[in-house]
Amino acid sequence: EPEVTQTPSHQVTQMGQEVILRCVPISNHLYFYWYRQILGQKVEFLVSFYNNEISEKSEIFDDQFSVERPDGSNFTLKIRSTKLEDSAMYFCASRTGQGPRDQPQHFGDGTRLSIL
Amino acid sequence: DAKTTQPNSMESNEEEPVHLPCNHSTISGTDYIHWYRQLPSQGPEYVIHGLTSNVNNRMASLAIAEDRKSSTLILHRATLRDAAVYYCILRVNYGGSQGNLIFGKGTKLSVKP
Repeated sequence: EPEVTQTPSHQVTQMGQEVILRCVPISNHLYFYWYRQILGQKVEFLVSFYNNEISEKSEIFDDQFSVERPDGSNFTLKIRSTKLEDSAMYFCASRTGQGPRDQPQHFGDGTRLSIL
Repeated sequence: DAKTTQPNSMESNEEEPVHLPCNHSTISGTDYIHWYRQLPSQGPEYVIHGLTSNVNNRMASLAIAEDRKSSTLILHRATLRDAAVYYCILRVNYGGSQGNLIFGKGTKLSVKP
């Protein structure tokens, strides 16, 4: 069964540094998402992306965050200047845009981001 | 998105059925009821979803109350691998929505051998 893959599984970065988290969504999917989960807390929506632009974003997704789909297969989340509070699991998800309007999202296993 | 209420935790014995309840009294006519689960150290995993009628798939069954203000996820024979946090989520279905999911705290299901 096709799956969403995320790399790296664990990223350790110094505070203030830029970090890029990478995701390869399922190949025929059209909608892409990033979520994050701080340790012990709820999964939180960050951003959705469709047709090469951001569709919706949460209050968490401020100017320090950006997303990109550089080559038709990868979907990246960049944090420009990391803060301690950015430490979390980051999950990528995708869903097909075809068929019935309501379709499930498929999640990767996440990247654990640790800011020192 | 409309709010859901779930018990914080539930326990089950292996190979017995499990009924996970969810209340969503403010559901609107276009909200789909989705269930996802999150196994330890993994990303959320889709389980099942429905609108008005009961639904079955290889993982579980979803029973939706006639007034749609509550639903129940049914695992027919719990296994140790079913130990996870189960999330009941209402997803607004309108043209402008891209379908982002709003997660609550969910129900932590423990399965005893």
